[in-house]
Amino acid sequence: ILNVEQSPQSLHVQEGDSTNFTCSFPSSNFYALHWYRWETAKSPEALFVMTLNGDEKKKGRISATLNTKEGYSYLYIKGSQPEDSATYLCAWWGQGGKLIFGQGTELSVKP
Amino acid sequence: SQTIHQWPATLVQPVGSPLSLECTVEGTSNPNLYWYRQAAGRGLQLLFYSVGIGQISSEVPQNLSASRPQDRQFILSSKKLLLSDSGFYLCAWSGSTSGSDGTDTQYFGPGTRLTVL
Repeated sequence: ILNVEQSPQSLHVQEGDSTNFTCSFPSSNFYALHWYRWETAKSPEALFVMTLNGDEKKKGRISATLNTKEGYSYLYIKGSQPEDSATYLCAWWGQGGKLIFGQGTELSVKP
Repeated sequence: SQTIHQWPATLVQPVGSPLSLECTVEGTSNPNLYWYRQAAGRGLQLLFYSVGIGQISSEVPQNLSASRPQDRQFILSSKKLLLSDSGFYLCAWSGSTSGSDGTDTQYFGPGTRLTVL
């Protein structure tokens, strides 16, 4: 069974806090790791596609790192804002040729 | 620009009734198309994908089926719904240029919330 695990399941932070969460995936047969943001009542929106070990991507206050050898990726949000409230999904593309999604981390940012 | 449409947005159906969910994509040609389901408390699960008209791959054995009658149309169907079919159904598309290296971003539609009673 190929599992993609995300932790924590949910996170409540205050506006201005920085936060991070984890995506764990199989380290063998790695092709790519995707991060999506899914806001309530909207479609999941792509944030990053990462392929290389040690890769780091950044989009505004959000950044992500990738360790393919140990099978994890971190997503960081610096200075969280209420509009960052969403579920953050990671998805692993392995040899099976499809995206396998984690359950997501639900982030709530209080003003 | 590309857009993806799904309908209906919500659906309440009795057990044993048929189902038809439709997804259409605009602004691109020969997309890869996907149907996902999110059941309560679970991650997105790939149900079907299609690389071309009439080409459907099924990922999970179930009483659902998919069809692609036109290049940018993807339909999810069932002859008889089960309680376990309840969930949130998302259609997605991606380009087909990078082959199977996993780097194509998938773009999702707004989803259909299906409740089977």
